[in-house]
Amino acid sequence: EVQLVESGGGLVQPGGSLRVSCAASGFTFSSSWMHWVRQSPGKGLVWVSRINGDGSATAYADSVKGRFTVSRDNAKNTLYLQMNSLRDEDSGVYYCGRDSGAAGLPLDYWGQGTLVTVSS
Amino acid sequence: QSALTQPASVSASPGQTITISCTGSSSDVGNYNLVSWYQQHPGKAPKLIIYETTKRPSGISDRFSGSKSGNTASLTVSGLQADDEAEYYCCSYAGNDLYVFGTGTKVTAL
Repeated sequence: EVQLVESGGGLVQPGGSLRVSCAASGFTFSSSWMHWVRQSPGKGLVWVSRINGDGSATAYADSVKGRFTVSRDNAKNTLYLQMNSLRDEDSGVYYCGRDSGAAGLPLDYWGQGTLVTVSS
Repeated sequence: QSALTQPASVSASPGQTITISCTGSSSDVGNYNLVSWYQQHPGKAPKLIIYETTKRPSGISDRFSGSKSGNTASLTVSGLQADDEAEYYCCSYAGNDLYVFGTGTKVTAL
């Protein structure tokens, strides 16, 4: 059974840093592209970042480029999102999602999300 | 990256058919047949119901169908059921390794 479990969320002050993780199981993690998607409280979904299977290619939304870094440890089947210089608008539930391999953004499995709150 | 535009809400009686629009631009929806649709029930993670504009993942009911015309993609739900009550989001590839979601549509079965 495919499982994605996020962790590491919490309360952080503006300008601070936080790293969230996504532990994967039930599939060949190293073969799968992975994404991060944010959902602010009561609001819609926002695509944040993507990483390919071996970690050699990444992509970011303009709003987080230069502040966030996506990475993965295939030996540990874990995806990471390092978030620096955090802003109020970065608050929300961060979901990791597995890319099914089709074109576009076909995330066929999602975690339950981890809540990040940026506030003073 | 501006969010794609969706109607805030759509409602219909059980058994009827609804269509949710997703309007973008020639830079995203209009330029690629790479629109996905997600269903999200309250407190749950999104669920993929359409990918590559018209394709359904395994296990998704054929009551859900996707289409596109110009800069607007559409999701049609036929034979509306109570369990279809949820928030629906479209998402399009926008070029340069970027993706953009829609504003979301709340579907209510009256």
